[in-house]
Amino acid sequence: ETGVTQTPRHLVMGMTNKKSLKCEQHLGHNAMYWYKQSAKKPLELMFVYNFKEQTENNSVPSRFSPECPNSSHLFLHLHTLQPEDSALYLCASSPRGGNTEAFFGQGTRLTVV
Amino acid sequence: AQSVAQPEDQVNVAEGNPLTVKCTYSVSGNPYLFWYVQYPNRGLQFLLKYITGDNLVKGSYGFEAEFNKSQTSFHLKKPSALVSDSALYFCAVRDSLSSASKIIFGSGTRLSIRP
Repeated sequence: ETGVTQTPRHLVMGMTNKKSLKCEQHLGHNAMYWYKQSAKKPLELMFVYNFKEQTENNSVPSRFSPECPNSSHLFLHLHTLQPEDSALYLCASSPRGGNTEAFFGQGTRLTVV
Repeated sequence: AQSVAQPEDQVNVAEGNPLTVKCTYSVSGNPYLFWYVQYPNRGLQFLLKYITGDNLVKGSYGFEAEFNKSQTSFHLKKPSALVSDSALYFCAVRDSLSSASKIIFGSGTRLSIRP
């Protein structure tokens, strides 16, 4: 256990559905991240939040909408996804300092049908 | 801009032999370097990091990594591989000059240890 919890672990959704992924940490970290991991592709940084403010949006399509209501919670709202969005979505958190490692959740395996 | 390269998609090693997983990086300032391991359908687990000081860093499960500034490399090593070391390994970097907390990962290297 890393202290970062993601729910749900698995999600199957249709292209017209709206769903949300949740990430929670009580490690006192103030930076949170969403990464996308697709088969045979590098781990892609999607969004970074520092102290609830978005500091990085790595050209992510608008069908992915992040929300960070406080430093402990991070959401990824999904709507009108495409089959190529099927992937493992990983949440991570870290203290804001650059010399600290990030702690990862177990991921949500998303399948878009 | 910061970047990380892992030139090998897969590394195959016999159990008991030494292993090396390669990583090179590019940053504007000083690098903060990390290695993570991922088992099937799991998140990434932190193995070790280099921040400053000794170039040889020791981490979890008997792994170590050597920082080489002139070659901009941070290769992961283990003197004697175990079958249980078989997994996906990621190198990552943070730039000391970056104002954001961005961590960039390499493409990953699949390590396969045969009995």
